[in-house]
Amino acid sequence: AQSVTQPDIHITVSEGASLELRCNYSYGATPYLFWYVQSPGQGLQLLLKYFSGDTLVQGIKGFEAEFKRSQSSFNLRKPSVHCRDAAEYFCAVGAQSSNYQLIWGAGTKVIIKP
Amino acid sequence: NAGVTQTPKFRVLKTGQSMTLLCAQDMNHEYMYWYRQDPGMGLRLIHYSVGEGTTAKGEVPDGYNVSRLKKQNFLLGLESAAPSQTSVYFCASSFPQGLAGYNEQFFGPGTRLTVL
Repeated sequence: AQSVTQPDIHITVSEGASLELRCNYSYGATPYLFWYVQSPGQGLQLLLKYFSGDTLVQGIKGFEAEFKRSQSSFNLRKPSVHCRDAAEYFCAVGAQSSNYQLIWGAGTKVIIKP
Repeated sequence: NAGVTQTPKFRVLKTGQSMTLLCAQDMNHEYMYWYRQDPGMGLRLIHYSVGEGTTAKGEVPDGYNVSRLKKQNFLLGLESAAPSQTSVYFCASSFPQGLAGYNEQFFGPGTRLTVL
């Protein structure tokens, strides 16, 4: 079955430290990959997406993600986090066989220590 | 542009009551989606629509119905609410890109529904 795994439910990082959020997927076909952020009480906002081409993708708010086909991963990174990066982050995957539906990870909640 | 709006923002229902959630988008998007979000479970797709007059079931459609009579609106109905439908409901819309039709989904602010 198609699935998306975000292994970390919570991550706590200090302000100014680097952040990496993991996302692994299981699909046979070439995936379409997304990272979204949800601030408390808000809807979701797209950070970045990968459809094809360069496997290192730059997004908004200083985030980037790298697609690694051999590891079925699409990890999200930020070199230096700020308190405003405290939020929940969701990875989502679509495949040609999924008929426009995205499969979502369970999310990773990021807590920033001052 | 207002983007994606949802009405109402909060609602409390008693078991067995019915209600309709309204989603509206002003971006002329073809695709619209209804999700529910529960703690630790991410987003689960309830129903979706790839165009005016068309709807399809998602991952968790039972207990819900939808209609898309106008391109800009997507309604989610609960005919007989149950406590298991207590959740936060999000509407999203997108404009298809490429053969697979995937693109960024724009989300509304959500509706928090409690069923007692």
